Amino acid sequence: GAVVSQHPSWVICKSGTSVKIECRSLDFQATTMFWYRQFPKQSLMLMATSNEGSKATYEQGVEKDKFLINHASLTLSTLTVTSAHPEDSSFYICSARAPSGTRRYNEQFFGPGTRLTVL
Amino acid sequence: QQPVQSPQAVILREGEDAVINCSSSKALYSVHWYRQKHGEAPVFLMILLKGGEQKGHEKISASFNEKKQQSSLYLTASQLSYSGTYFCGTGATDSWGKLQFGAGTQVVVTP
Repeated sequence: GAVVSQHPSWVICKSGTSVKIECRSLDFQATTMFWYRQFPKQSLMLMATSNEGSKATYEQGVEKDKFLINHASLTLSTLTVTSAHPEDSSFYICSARAPSGTRRYNEQFFGPGTRLTVL
Repeated sequence: QQPVQSPQAVILREGEDAVINCSSSKALYSVHWYRQKHGEAPVFLMILLKGGEQKGHEKISASFNEKKQQSSLYLTASQLSYSGTYFCGTGATDSWGKLQFGAGTQVVVTP
């Protein structure tokens, strides 16, 4: 299957600092990527849709100024958690959608996730 | 809206069968099934698209009834490796590829 990587796999930061998480599709071009957040023993909650070359669209209740998303190329999307606070501690997972015109269009391939801990 | 999954949890002995259900209040285009092990990212199992199809992956299969907006995942002759939390992700017809995930079903397979 398609490979999606995330970096870093885990990060610990102090309250008030900003953290950048990278999501890369390694073997296909992804015009659309998605960012999810998962709290312990809970489901994946969609945060935003990242579209290459345009602004991200955020789900209701997600602060776009706090969670900055940049999809500068067809293989890279970044999520920056600005002025992080302890309540932002979570497991952040990205997914990349298979490109249109391919057999696996509609499938989403998940990255391994990034565990963020804010002290 | 988040789809509803049932049951919340199930405990099986190796070799037993189980069914996990997923239902949505919205018209669906696709249903995606994933399994997640503790501390890891979800792993894709299968996708079912509008058309009421049934699919299989080893001894795990799934069906999709688009009229009822429901999908079921069937674990047949369960193995220890089937343990984990199963999530269904639903794509509504007007969702532009976005998925909404159910709360998950924890499956524990014991020897």
